[in-house]
Amino acid sequence: ILNVEQSPQSLHVQEGDSTNFTCSFPSSNFYALHWYRWETAKSPEALFVMTLNGDEKKKGRISATLNTKEGYSYLYIKGSQPEDSATYLCAFNNAGNMLTFGGGTRLMVKP
Amino acid sequence: DTAVSQTPKYLVTQMGNDKSIKCEQNLGHDTMYWYKQDSKKFLKIMFSYNNKELIINETVPNRFSPKSPDKAHLNLHINSLELGDSAVYFCASSRGRGSGELFFGEGSRLTVL
Repeated sequence: ILNVEQSPQSLHVQEGDSTNFTCSFPSSNFYALHWYRWETAKSPEALFVMTLNGDEKKKGRISATLNTKEGYSYLYIKGSQPEDSATYLCAFNNAGNMLTFGGGTRLMVKP
Repeated sequence: DTAVSQTPKYLVTQMGNDKSIKCEQNLGHDTMYWYKQDSKKFLKIMFSYNNKELIINETVPNRFSPKSPDKAHLNLHINSLELGDSAVYFCASSRGRGSGELFFGEGSRLTVL
């Protein structure tokens, strides 16, 4: 069983605040690290898939970094908006096998 | 046009029954998955399947079996349903296995009484 942990479990921020959360994963047999955004009553949607140590990816106000040697990834949201409220999931893939998801970080942005 | 579709969205049934949840993807992907959202809201992988290989999460009871009539479909069959099988089940697909992003269906909520 692979251990993929996310912190914090939940986070409340004010509109306009920037925030970040962490995903930690096993540093051996790394293949890919995924980030997903999961809104209530919908299904998860992919944000990023990262495969190389040092990868940085950006989509609008959301960006992610990857450190495969130490086994962590950060997701950053700049200038949070209420529509950013969702659960953010990371998922780890080792050597091309099945994706193991972390427990998610639930973000709530107050107007 | 829904990319990954699951039916039914809701299923209420009695303990001991056998039921199926269907999944279809129109993305041309070659790998499909079934995930179970457990009571703590975690997504747990159950199966990963492409036209060559089925990978089963060893913790999944053998009452659960995936059936793939073709590359675009991966159905989930559950025999002898138990109360603990109540959950939301998500189907997903990807191009390749691992590095391609997953596209999820909307989930099927199973309630076993």
